[in-house]
Amino acid sequence: DAGVIQSPRHEVTEMGQEVTLRCKPISGHNSLFWYRQTMMRGLELLIYFNNNVPIDDSGMPEDRFSAKMPNASFSTLKIQPSEPRDSAVYFCASTLREDYGYTFGSGTRLTVV
Amino acid sequence: GQQVMQIPQYQHVQEGEDFTTYCNSSTTLSNIQWYKQRPGGHPVFLIQLVKSGEVKKQKRLTFQFGEAKKNSSLHITATQTTDVGTYFCAGFTNAGKSTFGDGTTLTVKP
Repeated sequence: DAGVIQSPRHEVTEMGQEVTLRCKPISGHNSLFWYRQTMMRGLELLIYFNNNVPIDDSGMPEDRFSAKMPNASFSTLKIQPSEPRDSAVYFCASTLREDYGYTFGSGTRLTVV
Repeated sequence: GQQVMQIPQYQHVQEGEDFTTYCNSSTTLSNIQWYKQRPGGHPVFLIQLVKSGEVKKQKRLTFQFGEAKKNSSLHITATQTTDVGTYFCAGFTNAGKSTFGDGTTLTVKP
């Protein structure tokens, strides 16, 4: 298995632009998580899906952030409009069962200038 | 809300020395997981602890879960340069909600 696949690996965009991050979970995993990692705030859970349904989006910073999971093999995290404070590494993770641990993707390093 | 604190934030050791990181939760946990993130990498799952007082070992790594299920520790015996990275704990509540600690970054001087 190729693991959790995220794209792009790096994204540099100007303030105000729309940014879309993509994630393909491991086949068969039924839970998917989006995390944001910064030096100041550490690893923050933004949203998680179970069987493609959003279960907890309390970590989504504000209305500029939205996430979708149209099917079991694909999810997107969209920021519109982007702001410099959104600069961070965004990780997607998936799991079959909680006690198996989460498998993280390689992350998307987002820089908003 | 649930808070998970990790100490120390940074630890610098000489190769061969031992290393310990501690994780403390503000609430009782159902289980706790540990992850390692190499510089520039992504978190990698190491282990899960579920039972009160549980101790698990992986080669030179020893993981403990406190009796009250509110704290945990990771101990590395005789560190090697390959141990460098940031070690995170993630505490889970009965509701399935997880909170990651801020991590302990370990550097090892050869």
